[in-house]
Amino acid sequence: QKEVEQNSGPLSVPEGAIASLNCTYSDRGSQSFFWYRQYSGKSPELIMSIYSNGDKEDGRFTAQLNKASQYVSLLIRDSQPSDSATYLCAVDRFGGGGNKLTFGTGTQLKVEL
Amino acid sequence: SQTIHQWPATLVQPVGSPLSLECTVEGTSNPNLYWYRQAAGRGLQLLFYSVGIGQISSEVPQNLSASRPQDRQFILSSKKLLLSDSGFYLCAWRFRGNYGYTFGSGTRLTVV
Repeated sequence: QKEVEQNSGPLSVPEGAIASLNCTYSDRGSQSFFWYRQYSGKSPELIMSIYSNGDKEDGRFTAQLNKASQYVSLLIRDSQPSDSATYLCAVDRFGGGGNKLTFGTGTQLKVEL
Repeated sequence: SQTIHQWPATLVQPVGSPLSLECTVEGTSNPNLYWYRQAAGRGLQLLFYSVGIGQISSEVPQNLSASRPQDRQFILSSKKLLLSDSGFYLCAWRFRGNYGYTFGSGTRLTVV
């Protein structure tokens, strides 16, 4: 079982729609959860972080965490063509003397005009 | 503000040649530092992390090594590159107490 799992996509949504991205993780000791956006050929950019169960909203982005189900999601409202990118789910946990961030393989999002 | 620098941006090296990639962080002290690799079409794989000067933890046995000679400097090295070492190498830092990880701009390495 992979530590962090995401559907690879591509997920295609029309401009203005809501894009829903999902992620599951295997380690119940995980403490913090992040969503990164990565454009082709670029480094990942942090867009959302969430640490406790429930929803966290920031502009057009909403992150949702359910630790009992080991599930994290990201909603993007009013999707724009500029949102087309790969979205990486990442899980942080302490172990081996330090914190480590483990990534899923990413979901490719395409926002179509 | 904190910034992270990586160089070079791109590198083409022959098989069997040595490698040295450098990462430095500005505007902070005592950060946790990380090296990740992203192979073509793959996810990010953690290679090494460091919680302090001279302290290196290896995640995956491989042809690479890492060193941290100064608080804000992290170096990735290889004595002899393999074709399988090709990829996008990313340095990241995490300030203690701050949960976010910030990535450098990366080095795209092609071994030929």
